[in-house]
This record gives sequence, structure tokens and C-alpha cells, in this order.
Amino acid sequence: AIRMTQSPSSFSASTGDRVTVTCRASQDINGYVAWYQQKPGKAPKLLIYAASRLQSGVPSRFSGSGSGTDFTLTISYLQSEDFATYYCQQYYTYPRTFGQGTKLDIK
Amino acid sequence: EVQLVESGGGLVQPGGSLRLSCTVSGFTVLSNYMSWFRQAPGKGLEWVSVIYSGDGGSTSYADSVKGRFTISRDYSKNTLNLQMNSLRVEDTAVYYCARDLITDANDYWGQGTLVTVSS
Repeated sequence: AIRMTQSPSSFSASTGDRVTVTCRASQDINGYVAWYQQKPGKAPKLLIYAASRLQSGVPSRFSGSGSGTDFTLTISYLQSEDFATYYCQQYYTYPRTFGQGTKLDIK
Repeated sequence: EVQLVESGGGLVQPGGSLRLSCTVSGFTVLSNYMSWFRQAPGKGLEWVSVIYSGDGGSTSYADSVKGRFTISRDYSKNTLNLQMNSLRVEDTAVYYCARDLITDANDYWGQGTLVTVSS
């Protein structure tokens, strides 16, 4: 299975900050990476797919980049509703695998 | 409007069985890849199983559930199912169904159903 290594595991920030989360795949996944946001008691919500494509309805302050094995999620101007846990996922092959998550909380 | 609603979760003893269902509206289960995921309490996301689109409906499973879980579809009800047998304590989790797009990841998810395996 492809391993997804995500960092940091947790992070404290303030509204208005710019935040970056990184994810490294154990092999080239041809850009098949997605980013999800999850709030407590809720299902994951797709933010970014194909490394950099913004899912419909997701605010433009979210962006993704990367290729090969290294990928990044950036939130350009944190809003209060962005405090949540974020996961990367490779969907290049089955089994689909996720990073361990990044919990973003308020400083 | 697209909606996925899971049902069938609950408390079961180790070695027991449960059948989860995911009722879909807004698109056809038969025409899409559909996956089950799970999330143990306080843990991350884990993919469980997929059923491919079309009449053939090939399937794939995580090693952790292979031989114990079976994914299927009910065309008439537009539902996705997960039959879980020989349940273990470590199967305790919230189970989510999701549409699985080959190029666009998992865009629609259900709200989840909790399965607790305990004596």
C-alpha cells in the first residue's frame, strides 16, 4: 500500500494566518491526491482533488500544489470556520490511503 | 440534491454480524464506483472496500476486512450495502459510504453510522 506521511500532526494558528500542510507519498502518485476537511462528528468534506483543483463550492482561500510524491495544502487567510482536521488522500490506486491528519486549532 | 444516508449500525458482540446500508439519492449507484470508509474513535480515516460501476461490479477490500466483509448493491433501491461478519473489537468505528470518482476522489459522503463491537 502507498504510505502518505502528513505533517504537522497538529498546529495552532490565528484567524488571518496563512497555513501550510504537507503530505509525502511513498511513491509517485501521478497527482492523484485529494485534501479533506473534517469537523468533529461530521463526515469528511472534499476540498481539493487532482492535487490542485478546487472542489465546487470551496472558498478560494484553499489551494493545493505539488507533484510526484510531495504535495501541499495552503489556507491563505484562516477563518474561524477553518479550524478542523485536514487529511490528504492518495486515490492513484486501491487501497486508498490517507495521511494521519493535521488538527488545526486556535492559538 | 445528492444525499447519502447510512443505516444499520449498532452494538454487536465479537464474532457477530451486521449489515450496513447506504441509501443514495441524486445519482445512480450502478453507474458509479462506491466505497466504504471507516474511522475508529479518535483515529484517522481508513478505506474499507469499493465496488466498481456497471453490471459486473468488481470489488476490492482492505486486507483488514478481506474474507469477512462483502460489499454489494441493490439496484432497485439504489443502495450500497456492507455485510460484516466475524466482527472484531478493532472493527469498532464510524462507517461512511462515499462516491468514488476515478479522477476526482470522493466527492459525496454520507453522515456515517457507528458500529460498536464489544462484549
